[in-house]
Amino acid sequence: GAVVSQHPSWVICKSGTSVKIECRSLDFQATTMFWYRQFPKQSLMLMATSNEGSKATYEQGVEKDKFLINHASLTLSTLTVTSAHPEDSSFYICSARDFAGGNNEQFFGPGTRLTVL
Amino acid sequence: GESVGLHLPTLSVQEGDNSIINCAYSNSASDYFIWYKQESGKGPQFIIDIRSNMDKRQGQRVTVLLNKTVKHLSLQIAATQPGDSAVYFCAENIEGYQKVTFGTGTKLQVIP
Repeated sequence: GAVVSQHPSWVICKSGTSVKIECRSLDFQATTMFWYRQFPKQSLMLMATSNEGSKATYEQGVEKDKFLINHASLTLSTLTVTSAHPEDSSFYICSARDFAGGNNEQFFGPGTRLTVL
Repeated sequence: GESVGLHLPTLSVQEGDNSIINCAYSNSASDYFIWYKQESGKGPQFIIDIRSNMDKRQGQRVTVLLNKTVKHLSLQIAATQPGDSAVYFCAENIEGYQKVTFGTGTKLQVIP
C-alpha cells in the first residue's frame, strides 16, 4: 500500500518556540493531505484539510495563525505549531489521499509526538 | 472522578475467540465507512471499508456489518490473536467530500 512518512517522530521543545512537522507521501501524489491531533486515550480530531497549491481549510476551533499549514507540492505538507505551549502537547498525525483512479482510501503517517515543556 | 473522555471502552477477549467491536455513527448522510486499527504510538492502519449500498463486507479474518437504519457499524474479528490488541476506530465519510470523521474508539485486549 501507499506509504506516508512524518518527520520528526517525536520532538520536545520549550514553551514559546515554533515546531515544524513534515508529512510526505512517498510513492504516490497526494492532492489532499489532512492533519489530525490526538490526545491520550482519545480519538483523532481533524484540524485541517490541505490541498496542494491552495490555502488549508481549518476545522472550527482550530486557530489558523497558530497551526500554519503549507502544502507546496504533491508529496509534502508541513504543519508548524507557532509559539507552542504545554497544552499543544499531543500526537499529531497526517494522512494523504491518493485520488488516482478514484481511490478513496486515506493513508496515515506514523504520527509525531510533540511535548512542550 | 475522571472525565468520560479519558476512558476508551475496552473489550477483553480470549485468544482464539471472535471479537465484535461496535460503533454508532452520527451522520445519516454518510455513505462510506472505514475501520482503522491503531497500535500504541503509531498512526491508524486501514482494516476494511464498506459503502452504504452494502450491508456486509468480508476481508481476511474481518467482517464489517452496516445497519443504516440505526446508524450502526460493527467489526468482527475471527480467531482473535494477540497481535490484534490495539485501539479500533470507525470512521465515516460522505463520498465526494474530503472530510473523514472518526468515532471514539474501542480498545481491544487479547488475553493469551
